Amino acid sequence: DAGVTQSPTHLIKTRGQHVTLRCSPISGHKSVSWYQQVLGQGPQFIFQYYEKEERGRGNFPDRFSARQFPNYSSELNVNALLLGDSALYLCASSLGLGGPETQYFGPGTRLLVL
Amino acid sequence: GENVEQHPSTLSVQEGDSAVIKCTYSDSASNYFPWYKQELGKRPQLIIDIRSNVGEKKDQRIAVTLNKTAKHFSLHITETQPEDSAVYFCAALSYGQNFVFGPGTRLSVLP
Repeated sequence: DAGVTQSPTHLIKTRGQHVTLRCSPISGHKSVSWYQQVLGQGPQFIFQYYEKEERGRGNFPDRFSARQFPNYSSELNVNALLLGDSALYLCASSLGLGGPETQYFGPGTRLLVL
Repeated sequence: GENVEQHPSTLSVQEGDSAVIKCTYSDSASNYFPWYKQELGKRPQLIIDIRSNVGEKKDQRIAVTLNKTAKHFSLHITETQPEDSAVYFCAALSYGQNFVFGPGTRLSVLP
């Protein structure tokens, strides 16, 4: 029974570049959320998607965007990378039935911006 | 919006002792409170959760208590073991909103 998967595991980029991170939710889960975790801090909410629709957006600039595909997988895109974007990017999936639900995290993508 | 505070930021206990981590939240509409354990270099793992219609929940050595009036909830770990050493995060969620995490508590269980 596969859990949430993310790719790539690690990524090194330079300032100004663009990055795409990918996530596949647990089978049967229809909702995907993205979080940014800076070293030493708790995860910060970026986006939530359900049935390909954006359900929520955190306090992040427009350089951050995401989408969800018909198979419920998701991509997070970050444009014009800044040094401060260096972080662990976590994807979490949940059933998407509505109401408070447990979210299960993937292993994350560690992004380093030089 | 919701704000979650967590204390202490670091906690060291002797093996076999108990550990308590406390979180407070600001949005009285929050009704789901999970706790996650994150070991170094690994993903956050759900260890226990509680909903607002319950005051306490236990799972073996782990328990969570919720005081809705005071808007705080706590994680209790009894008979701590070295493998309990990790960073623990609390979170709060209200319907129609999104998870807000606390800043984390680094627990060290000393042999």
